[in-house]
Amino acid sequence: GDSVTQMEGPVTLSEEAFLTINCTYTATGYPSLFWYVQYPGEGLQLLLKATKADDKGSNKGFEATYRKETTSFHLEKGSVQVSDSAVYFCALGPAGGSNYKLTFGKGTLLTVNP
Amino acid sequence: DAMVIQNPRYQVTQFGKPVTLSCSQTLNHNVMYWYQQKSSQAPKLLFHYYDKDFNNEADTPDNFQSRRPNTSFCFLDIRSPGLGDAAMYLCATSRDGLTGGVPGDQPQHFGDGTRLSIL
Repeated sequence: GDSVTQMEGPVTLSEEAFLTINCTYTATGYPSLFWYVQYPGEGLQLLLKATKADDKGSNKGFEATYRKETTSFHLEKGSVQVSDSAVYFCALGPAGGSNYKLTFGKGTLLTVNP
Repeated sequence: DAMVIQNPRYQVTQFGKPVTLSCSQTLNHNVMYWYQQKSSQAPKLLFHYYDKDFNNEADTPDNFQSRRPNTSFCFLDIRSPGLGDAAMYLCATSRDGLTGGVPGDQPQHFGDGTRLSIL
């Protein structure tokens, strides 16, 4: 079945450091890929998405590129801020039909220190 | 702003005492979801509604039920909460993707959750 393997945390960085959180997936077909962010005590928020191979999703300085050849969707940010401290989830959308189920990775806790 | 609202934010109930969590949305989305999220874990889908069609996940315990009386509201009922049901419960919505999109492309919009404690 579909699965997402996400870099284990926690990840601790200093402010302005470069961030990479690795995400790879296994799926049939060509699913959409998502990154969600969860700040403490809140629900998940969509950070970015990509719907086909070589698409780059970007938002708030974060980027991720849908790489079909390596089945990856790594999250990057050039310069993190303290306010980026949160849990990040990589997720796989259904490949088609009427199935709406997202497949989540286990989440990566990011802490950014001043 | 259009949004997904969950009430209450914190709910305490007694072991075995039925409890209902509520979710409302102003996004007019066809699809509504309920997730259970335990500490340091990913959200786990319990069930979802496509309009009034209920879709239960195979591993969702019978103790969990849901109602969707109209497009805007959805309720999660836990008939006899056990200690293992203590968790954050998240409601989410999405478009159906039929109006110019693909179901799998539609992002889900989450509420801030209800944290359920069992005494």
